[in-house]
Amino acid sequence: DTEVTQTPKHLVMGMTNKKSLKCEQHMGHRAMYWYKQKAKKPPELMFVYSYEKLSINESVPSRFSPECPNSSLLNLHLHALQPEDSALYLCASSPRSDRVLNTEAFFGQGTRLTVV
Amino acid sequence: AQKITQTQPGMFVQEKEAVTLDCTYDTSDPSYGLFWYKQPSSGEMIFLIYQGSYDQQNATEGRYSLNFQKARKSANLVISASQLGDSAMYFCAMREGPMNRDDKIIFGKGTRLHILP
Repeated sequence: DTEVTQTPKHLVMGMTNKKSLKCEQHMGHRAMYWYKQKAKKPPELMFVYSYEKLSINESVPSRFSPECPNSSLLNLHLHALQPEDSALYLCASSPRSDRVLNTEAFFGQGTRLTVV
Repeated sequence: AQKITQTQPGMFVQEKEAVTLDCTYDTSDPSYGLFWYKQPSSGEMIFLIYQGSYDQQNATEGRYSLNFQKARKSANLVISASQLGDSAMYFCAMREGPMNRDDKIIFGKGTRLHILP
């Protein structure tokens, strides 16, 4: 099973709303990632969790708040977003690279977020 | 700093022909991994193939093969016998190894592949 599951697939939210994106994997991977992708652009790294601890924050605004409650689950909490935050949000998981030399990384199907 | 370069913004290829998508990379870490992903218009990022820097042989997965030339820092994707369903955006990506604690996976700008009937 190489599946990373993201919910919801689509989300429309107002600028005053609070919502959360969810990502789940059951491959035993200990590195999990959030990426943001605008149309016709490559994915941009937002956060990396390693062994359930936040290891990288790419200077993401505080209106995006990640959470890793356990080794299988990764959340992205959204609050007071702006229309320019509308994008495809992708989650990925991979074995941690200090335990194995390097291995594959698998992505979920993404959540298409529209902020109105 | 990592850098991934994909020099072909778009390609048009006749169905059933082989196609090569170019990717060069830049890293000073001796341990790294190279990935290719396919992204159709639906948005999902589909893992195609992976090559580790210490792998002795070029990776292959079905119709996909990775032409890994370490000295040239090149990791081109070769798709044999292209199909209409191969039309999509293709991204090359890299992650540096244990010597680098960063654990980032960085993407190139992508190549839009169009397969013509």
